[in-house]
Amino acid sequence: AQKVTQAQTEISVVEKEDVTLDCVYETRDTTYYLFWYKQPPSGELVFLIRRNSFDEQNEISGRYSWNFQKSTSSFNFTITASQVVDSAVYFCALSPFGNYGQNFVFGPGTRLSVLP
Amino acid sequence: GAGVSQSPSNKVTEKGKDVELRCDPISGHTALYWYRQSLGQGLEFLIYFQGNSAPDKSGLPSDRFSAERTGGSVSTLTIQRTQQEDSAVYLCASSLVLEYNEQFFGPGTRLTVL
Repeated sequence: AQKVTQAQTEISVVEKEDVTLDCVYETRDTTYYLFWYKQPPSGELVFLIRRNSFDEQNEISGRYSWNFQKSTSSFNFTITASQVVDSAVYFCALSPFGNYGQNFVFGPGTRLSVLP
Repeated sequence: GAGVSQSPSNKVTEKGKDVELRCDPISGHTALYWYRQSLGQGLEFLIYFQGNSAPDKSGLPSDRFSAERTGGSVSTLTIQRTQQEDSAVYLCASSLVLEYNEQFFGPGTRLTVL
């Protein structure tokens, strides 16, 4: 069975603070994809990143960085120097490699509030 | 604009009626995806299309749900005999190719079943 856990339901930080959103997953597949999505207050989902399970290199994109640790089944997302515009619900998701159907699973989301 | 569009933006229907939700992907995008976001249920993946083909329909919640895509472009999600539990925001996304490289999402259709 596949499962994605985002233990932090809500996080509040003050602007310019760094914040890490946790994602822990469970899967029996040896190869899989991991994703992060952002849903701002406007409601429109924004795709942030996709990682392959066989590529454990961390990734940085501007103020965003992702730490993939296969040994702990975690794919954490860090926002550096947070801004008010980062306020959103963030979803982590998991899919088997090469199968885009039923087993695509989302976590429950973490609501991030960045206060000015 | 050239983004993913969905129509209608809002749909209120009575229990038992059929509804059709439409998605216009970005031109040239071969892959198209449908998701559902319900209050208290989170995000749920429903179905994807590669071209006009949907190889795996097992994510659809029940046999009242069906989806098709024609001409490798527009997709329609149909819900027959709607139930109150079908109330949700239905999201569509497209990507240039299958494999989830940078999916672009539409604004969603908010469905309310009375």
